[in-house]
Amino acid sequence: AQSVTQPDIHITVSEGASLELRCNYSYGATPYLFWYVQSPGQGLQLLLKYFSGDTLVQGIKGFEAEFKRSQSSFNLRKPSVHWSDAAEYFCAVGARGGGNKLTFGTGTQLKVEL
Amino acid sequence: EADIYQTPRYLVIGTGKKITLECSQTMGHDKMYWYQQDPGMELHLIHYSYGVNSTEKGDLSSESTVSRIRTEHFPLTLESARPSHTSQYLCASSGPTTNEKLFFGSGTQLSVL
Repeated sequence: AQSVTQPDIHITVSEGASLELRCNYSYGATPYLFWYVQSPGQGLQLLLKYFSGDTLVQGIKGFEAEFKRSQSSFNLRKPSVHWSDAAEYFCAVGARGGGNKLTFGTGTQLKVEL
Repeated sequence: EADIYQTPRYLVIGTGKKITLECSQTMGHDKMYWYQQDPGMELHLIHYSYGVNSTEKGDLSSESTVSRIRTEHFPLTLESARPSHTSQYLCASSGPTTNEKLFFGSGTQLSVL
């Protein structure tokens, strides 16, 4: 069975600073990988996903993530954070052939200081 | 963007009551899911459906039940609510392609006293 670890529960960054949120996964083969964002009182929204091909994927709102097989990681990055990026971020993994059932990490709460 | 709706948004109820959490989507998706979310914990899949009259239990054991009589509707029922059921319940749907993105509703925050 697959699993996801997000080692940072809370992260605080200043507006305009760069951001990296960590995600490590456990899966026996090449997984499907996702990052979702949840704003207060809202459902989760997909930021980006990796299925195959180019290991650097671009998403919405200026986010990108890089799949590193050797490190079993899929870290999320943004070069310049905006105050509106404050939210909770979830990394998720899906098994190939497992339908659309995803396994989520525990999330990272991002706070942005003005 | 998301056309998936959950009601009620908040529910506070006493122990022993029967409750139904509603979830509807207007995208014509065959695949629908219920996740349970507790603060500081990962989302856990508790039920899923790949179409009408198809329901399966997820990875996390749950005392709730679901039904899928219509494509657009995927309600979750607790026959006798207990304080241990206090949680946020998120409904989601997706298109037919394997590992297509999930569309999430805004969730129902359930508190059982």
